[in-house]
Amino acid sequence: DVKVTQSSRYLVKRTGEKVFLECVQDMDHENMFWYRQDPGLGLRLIYFSYDVKMKEKGDIPEGYSVSREKKERFSLILESASTNQTSMYLCASSPLRQTFTDTQYFGPGTRLTVL
Amino acid sequence: DQQVKQNSPSLSVQEGRISILNCDYTNSMFDYFLWYKKYPAEGPTFLISISSIKDKNEDGRFTVFLNKSAKHLSLHIVPSQPGDSAVYFCAASEPGNQFYFGTGTSLTVIP
Repeated sequence: DVKVTQSSRYLVKRTGEKVFLECVQDMDHENMFWYRQDPGLGLRLIYFSYDVKMKEKGDIPEGYSVSREKKERFSLILESASTNQTSMYLCASSPLRQTFTDTQYFGPGTRLTVL
Repeated sequence: DQQVKQNSPSLSVQEGRISILNCDYTNSMFDYFLWYKKYPAEGPTFLISISSIKDKNEDGRFTVFLNKSAKHLSLHIVPSQPGDSAVYFCAASEPGNQFYFGTGTSLTVIP
């Protein structure tokens, strides 16, 4: 079974703090993704990566950056957290290189609250 | 602008009856569609997919129908079971491109 784990289930941070959300997958997948899920907006893609040290912007990259130093790990960084970044963050991975039309496997999510 | 829409935020169905969840999209270049199911406190899990060369795909109690001319897909669950109670997301993509997700429909199956 594919397993995607996220470092925290719940996180509370203060405005202006630097926040790191970590994601690890154990199936040697090339592609990894970060989404946020908000009521009435569904899942929106923040960033994705199809290889180590490669990253591509999704639909809403503003205020975020990512890091992929190892194949199994994809980190989402909020450089200076703001209240509008309070959300559920979901990490996902998929096995095909440079094609994304394949099933994605999701982690359980991190609910981030920025005060 | 939302390219994939699920206009019903919630749906309640009696156990044993059919559940029909709907999804509309605006991009005619979308050629691959997925449905995911999400339980509370868990990530979405893949349920069923369909490519644009088909108009129907079936997997056990789950069937997805695609109407390309109407830019509409639907998920049928027959018979519905209480364990099907979850939020269902549809997603669509162009060839080799990212997925766009709908806003989700919360299904409640009443025993």
